[in-house]
Amino acid sequence: AQSVTQPDIHITVSEGASLELRCNYSYGATPYLFWYVQSPGQGLQLLLKYFSGDTLVQGIKGFEAEFKRSQSSFNLRKPSVHWSDAAEYFCAVGAAGGTSYGKLTFGQGTILTVHP
Amino acid sequence: EPEVTQTPSHQVTQMGQEVILRCVPISNHLYFYWYRQILGQKVEFLVSFYNNEISEKSEIFDDQFSVERPDGSNFTLKIRSTKLEDSAMYFCASAAFASTDTQYFGPGTRLTVL
Repeated sequence: AQSVTQPDIHITVSEGASLELRCNYSYGATPYLFWYVQSPGQGLQLLLKYFSGDTLVQGIKGFEAEFKRSQSSFNLRKPSVHWSDAAEYFCAVGAAGGTSYGKLTFGQGTILTVHP
Repeated sequence: EPEVTQTPSHQVTQMGQEVILRCVPISNHLYFYWYRQILGQKVEFLVSFYNNEISEKSEIFDDQFSVERPDGSNFTLKIRSTKLEDSAMYFCASAAFASTDTQYFGPGTRLTVL
């Protein structure tokens, strides 16, 4: 069965500082990996996704993530955080093929607080 | 930009009552999903729907739950007899042409069961 672990429940950074949010996954085959962001009262917005190919993926809002198969990780990074990045971030692994039709399994989420 | 919409944004109901949560997926999308998020917990998969039938469902999706696409545009989730533990945020999502396509999520319906 697939699973996702986000070890950090809450992270606080200063505006302008760099950010790394951790994500570890468990999946039997090649995973499809996603990062979504949720602002209060909003739905889930896709930041970026990894299906195959280049293991460094660029997303919206200056975010990037690196797929490391050997570490079963897909960490999200941003070189300089803006106050508007304060939100909750979810890592997810997708399944496809066989009997699966795209079910996403989410991590617990990491709440990001940005100090001015 | 096309988006998934959901109504109502907040639904309050009494235990044992039936509720229907409505979603309008992105036009021309073929794959549809419901997820839920109990306060403080993970977003959990409930069901996927493709070609007018359920393609996959989780253990949560028992006989109290049903989905349908009644008119080619709406996608509904019905809970037949709500329980207190059904209180959660329910998200609808749709994907375009393949199960590996990006799932676009709606803003959610907060269901409160009293």
